[in-house]
Amino acid sequence: DGGITQSPKYLFRKEGQNVTLSCEQNLNHDAMYWYRQDPGQGLRLIYYSQIVNDFQKGDIAEGYSVSREKKESFPLTVTSAQKNPTAFYLCASSILGRLDHQPQHFGDGTRLSIL
Amino acid sequence: AQTVTQSQPEMSVQEAETVTLSCTYDTSESDYYLFWYKQPPSRQMILVIRQEAYKQQNATENRFSVNFQKAAKSFSLKISDSQLGDAAMYFCAYRSAEGQGAQKLVFGQGTRLTINP
Repeated sequence: DGGITQSPKYLFRKEGQNVTLSCEQNLNHDAMYWYRQDPGQGLRLIYYSQIVNDFQKGDIAEGYSVSREKKESFPLTVTSAQKNPTAFYLCASSILGRLDHQPQHFGDGTRLSIL
Repeated sequence: AQTVTQSQPEMSVQEAETVTLSCTYDTSESDYYLFWYKQPPSRQMILVIRQEAYKQQNATENRFSVNFQKAAKSFSLKISDSQLGDAAMYFCAYRSAEGQGAQKLVFGQGTRLTINP
């Protein structure tokens, strides 16, 4: 079945440590996104990518980094510069072009906590 | 920048009754898309319904319908014949149809819907 796979489901970070969240999609979507969700709040955009080897900052990119070496993959690294990384992280993808009114499809998320 | 506001942090409804969730947004654009997403306790984001701003007709999907008032910048969700499985967080979201903003979903704060049996 086509979809978006995020791993791991739960992740713990030690102080000063970088951690990487995985996001893989087999929907052949051009665009991929990373969102952060804090308790009781909506989703906020961290980074997005429309094409391989290109990505743009979202509203809260500080302390995060991404890469897009393959169309199917868009990993997110939470660096030690992100001082409050505890949150739920959602990856999404979507079609671009004449069908860009199509909605974004979401993965099941990764919950990141500080040890 | 666009903003989306959901003024009802929590709502509850009796099973089989109808409930309406409110959403307002602020934009200077004329062409955009609006979405309602459902997030059950599993935390998965599920698309409920979408509306293209250039369409005057309100979108419907089975028991879910919207009241889209473009001039008032209002996009409410009506759930008819509420079922226990409808219990979830509901998010209203805005997406521009033009330029760089076309890639971004802007979300409201969410409304937690409880269904009382």
